[in-house]
Amino acid sequence: AQSVTQLGSHVSVSEGALVLLRCNYSSSVPPYLFWYVQYPNQGLQLLLKYTTGATLVKGINGFEAEFKKSETSFHLTKPSAHMSDAAEYFCAVSKIQGAQKLVFGQGTRLTINP
Amino acid sequence: GAVVSQHPSWVICKSGTSVKIECRSLDFQATTMFWYRQFPKQSLMLMATSNEGSKATYEQGVEKDKFLINHASLTLSTLTVTSAHPEDSSFYICSARPYGGADNEKLFFGSGTQLSVL
Repeated sequence: AQSVTQLGSHVSVSEGALVLLRCNYSSSVPPYLFWYVQYPNQGLQLLLKYTTGATLVKGINGFEAEFKKSETSFHLTKPSAHMSDAAEYFCAVSKIQGAQKLVFGQGTRLTINP
Repeated sequence: GAVVSQHPSWVICKSGTSVKIECRSLDFQATTMFWYRQFPKQSLMLMATSNEGSKATYEQGVEKDKFLINHASLTLSTLTVTSAHPEDSSFYICSARPYGGADNEKLFFGSGTQLSVL
């Protein structure tokens, strides 16, 4: 079985500061990993995904995440937070390429302070 | 980008009544759609996989007679919560997987439906 744990249901950073959202996973097979963002009153949007190859994955809006197998982690980072980054972020894992049957973490709400 | 429309965005109903939630892919065809349920401060839980023209596949622990799924066309899947009870109150989200094309490896999500059963 697969599972995802997002550390911190709520993260607050100042505008311009580093954003770090933590995600750890459990999977009995090589995982495919995803980060989604949900803005208020909108559906989830794919930020980035890791399937195979380079472990540092770059996504939209300046976000990136690094797959660390030894730490079973896939933390999401952004060097400089912007007010528009305020949203709910979900980490997800799948064992089938194609983003089917995703297992989600509980989400982390990111707040940006001016 | 591809858009998934989910309707209604929120609904309040009386206990014992049925509620239908629609999930439409507006500008693409989706052979597969997924239905999720989310409780406050918890993760999205996959309820069922809906395939056009065939019966839905339900996850373990999800009552198929309680949560009726119909995927009658390539652009529409519906979830009907039958004989709703207060414990069915939750946030329901659908997603759609485009058929073919460059977006075949992505899922597109609806904005969700908040169901409150009184």
